[in-house]
Amino acid sequence: EAQVTQNPRYLITVTGKKLTVTCSQNMNHEYMSWYRQDPGLGLRQIYYSMNVEVTDKGDVPEGYKVSRKEKRNFPLILESPSPNQTSLYFCASSLAPDRAGELFFGEGSRLTVL
Amino acid sequence: GQNIDQPTEMTATEGAIVQINCTYQTSGFNGLFWYQQHAGEAPTFLSYNVLDGLEEKGRFSSFLSRSKGYSYLLLKELQMKDSASYLCAVRDEDYKLSFGAGTTVTVRA
Repeated sequence: EAQVTQNPRYLITVTGKKLTVTCSQNMNHEYMSWYRQDPGLGLRQIYYSMNVEVTDKGDVPEGYKVSRKEKRNFPLILESPSPNQTSLYFCASSLAPDRAGELFFGEGSRLTVL
Repeated sequence: GQNIDQPTEMTATEGAIVQINCTYQTSGFNGLFWYQQHAGEAPTFLSYNVLDGLEEKGRFSSFLSRSKGYSYLLLKELQMKDSASYLCAVRDEDYKLSFGAGTTVTVRA
């Protein structure tokens, strides 16, 4: 089954404790992206990647890191989480950059930073 | 990023038609997309416009006017299952995708 898989789905952590949210897709997609969704603000892009070893900042990259060492994986790293990073996070992928709007989304990861 | 505006909420009756407008201001427009998101779920792709005009997909249609920075999503023959949030998204020349805050549509019997 074609899918985007995120882990963990739910996480409660404390300020400053490094964490990684994994994202994996099995569709051989070139383009991958991370979003956070907050009430009233909609989806905001954190980082995106057009292919292996190519990553670019989205609209809200501060406090986050990503890597794209393999085509299928695109982990989101919070080196020192803060309460303002409490949010619902979505990973998404599409076949190629020119199909970057036709995204397949993961189920989301709800993160709470205390 | 882009500046994307859409109404916050809309209510309509089952069987009716609803039009959700989206206006945007962008540098380097490279496509407009509509997504549906049911409460507690991930967004799912609905439609894509890159040229002016109407794209029809069953009960859903999407329109784009690039000169006016304007799009709408038209939902016909509304069903209860169409109650959801509808997200307008704009892609730029660098393939960065920006979303509006979403329009929550409530369908009443």
